[in-house]
Amino acid sequence: AQSVTQPDIHITVSEGASLELRCNYSYGATPYLFWYVQSPGQGLQLLLKYFSGDTLVQGIKGFEAEFKRSQSSFNLRKPSVHWSDAAEYFCAVGGAFQGAQKLVFGQGTRLTINP
Amino acid sequence: DTGVSQDPRHKITKRGQNVTFRCDPISEHNRLYWYRQTLGQGPEFLTYFQNEAQLEKSRLLSDRFSAERPKGSFSTLEIQRTEQGDSAMYLCASSHRVAGMNTDTQYFGPGTRLTVL
Repeated sequence: AQSVTQPDIHITVSEGASLELRCNYSYGATPYLFWYVQSPGQGLQLLLKYFSGDTLVQGIKGFEAEFKRSQSSFNLRKPSVHWSDAAEYFCAVGGAFQGAQKLVFGQGTRLTINP
Repeated sequence: DTGVSQDPRHKITKRGQNVTFRCDPISEHNRLYWYRQTLGQGPEFLTYFQNEAQLEKSRLLSDRFSAERPKGSFSTLEIQRTEQGDSAMYLCASSHRVAGMNTDTQYFGPGTRLTVL
């Protein structure tokens, strides 16, 4: 079955420090991969996506992610975090799973920023 | 684009009551999705429409749940005889089907938070 694992439930970093959020997926075909961010009580905002081509993708708010097929990973990075980056981050894999055009999400990683 | 909108943003109801949520997708998006998100979890797929046709329903969507998308525009999600376990955030997303792609980019609304007392 298709699945996404985000190993870190909660990460705390200092403002200005670099960030890497991990995401591992299981999918039998070419995956379409997404990172979304969710502020408390809000919906999900798309940060970036990978469909094909260059395995390093750039997104909004200075985020980037790298697709590594050999490791089944799609980790999210940012060189220097800002206090406004504190939120919940979700990795998702998309595709036609058994006929359904749905996204399968990981459990999420909550990011806390220390001043 | 005005984005995906959902109404209401919050709903508190008593167990056994029926509730209905509305989702207005981004204009001209032909696909519309419903997800449910419980506390501390990622969203889980419930169902999706292409235009007015409901093409897939998750096993999570019990017979107390029904969704419609008349005329392929807005959609409603109704829960009958609500239970405390239905308490969750209900998220709507829309996308534009791209020929030749197995998936497309889904844009989410702000969600409707349901609390069943």
